[in-house]
Amino acid sequence: QSVLTQPPSVSGAPGQRVTISCTGSSSNIGAGYDVHWYQQLPGTAPRFLIYGNRNRPSGVPDRFSGSKSGTSASLAITGLQAEDEADYYCQSYDSSLSRYVFGTGTKVSVL
Amino acid sequence: QVQLAESGGGVVQPGKSLTLSCVASGFTFGDYAMHWVRQAPGKGLEWVAVIWHDGSKKYYSDSVKGRFTISRDNSKNTLYLQMNSLRAEDTAVYYCARDDHAKNDVFDIWGQGTMVTVSS
Repeated sequence: QSVLTQPPSVSGAPGQRVTISCTGSSSNIGAGYDVHWYQQLPGTAPRFLIYGNRNRPSGVPDRFSGSKSGTSASLAITGLQAEDEADYYCQSYDSSLSRYVFGTGTKVSVL
Repeated sequence: QVQLAESGGGVVQPGKSLTLSCVASGFTFGDYAMHWVRQAPGKGLEWVAVIWHDGSKKYYSDSVKGRFTISRDNSKNTLYLQMNSLRAEDTAVYYCARDDHAKNDVFDIWGQGTMVTVSS
């Protein structure tokens, strides 16, 4: 049972903007631990998209952006493209559980 | 090229043991903490264990504590996961992942995964 909650699915038309929320608590995101985001294309291993709440590694399009506020974080995808269809996971650390935690995952569909 | 390659997965009976390996290449393995993450069929990602760069500290999820052991051999650039007393719920793809301390401890490099099926 994950302590980081994400919507099961979001969808949008090509070119639209979608956002994925990641809701935690005072022992993880709210405690100041960084949030990272991963993309998992069908049948492949995850790859990281955003690190340290809002930083984008080289090679990741600037269509992807991250933010964090209070006990939640968000991933936004602007100019949605067909290749963005994938599962997305947030990840942080939980001090009360003393373990790394992943979000429940969100499937992004491009209509 | 920075890479991780897992091996050792397979079909195993409940209660038996299995050891997974993860060979690193393209970077100084001994400089990084390493994790195991698993994904049950059709499910999300679950963190399993972490080992410090020098092997001095190890931490586990409650679901595997006491049954799984993470270890590493920096001279062989290899990470291990010894899995004992396997259960049906341990069935998953197991990924090894590098922890990049310079990037806020994000899991920046992942292997392709190795499938473990626990079934009689």
